[in-house]
Amino acid sequence: EVQLLESGGGLVQPGGSLRLSCTASPFIFSNYALTWVRQAPGKGLECVSAISGSSRSTFYADSVKGRFTISRDNSKSTLYLQMSSLRDEDTALYYCAKLRGSYLSSAFDMWGQGTMVTVSS
Amino acid sequence: ETVLTQSPGTLSLSPGERATLACRASQSISSSYLAWYQQKPGQAPRLLIYGASNRATDIPDRFSGSGSGTDFTLTISRLEPEDFAVYYCQQYGASPMYTFGQGTKLEIK
Repeated sequence: EVQLLESGGGLVQPGGSLRLSCTASPFIFSNYALTWVRQAPGKGLECVSAISGSSRSTFYADSVKGRFTISRDNSKSTLYLQMSSLRDEDTALYYCAKLRGSYLSSAFDMWGQGTMVTVSS
Repeated sequence: ETVLTQSPGTLSLSPGERATLACRASQSISSSYLAWYQQKPGQAPRLLIYGASNRATDIPDRFSGSGSGTDFTLTISRLEPEDFAVYYCQQYGASPMYTFGQGTKLEIK
């Protein structure tokens, strides 16, 4: 069974940094694009970043561009999201999700359970 | 920027009834890049439909998607108790690459 497991969330002060990780098993990790989607408490879904299977293509939402960096290590089947200059409005549950294909133009067909990020002083 | 608007915001129906959820795009999008997700409280979203009308793996055939251009529909032919949840549409091809609708809450009447 394909599984995605996020980690790295927590409480951080405004302006701080945090790195999220998502480990995946058991599928051919490098064959699929991956994404981070967040959901603020009681709100809807926002895709903040995505990366193709080869890492050649990436996407960032305008709300995080220049502050967040997505990367992946296919040898470790792990996806990362480096978050810096965090703001109150970044507070959310962050989901890792797998896309149906290796390119960015695919739907999200498998989701982890999420890791909570709280930005507060 | 392509904005997706879902209607109604809340839909109250009884088990056994038919549910019709709408998703309207602010500009035409390829039907290849329209998806629907279901989210239950405390759970991650689940992909139901991709490419506007293709059911994802293990999705019951009471769920169907249709539409093109700017108007898309998710239909649940006969509601089961487990279908009451929040539903989101998503486009994943136009610029920006991914946008979600605000969601429709399907509640038990």
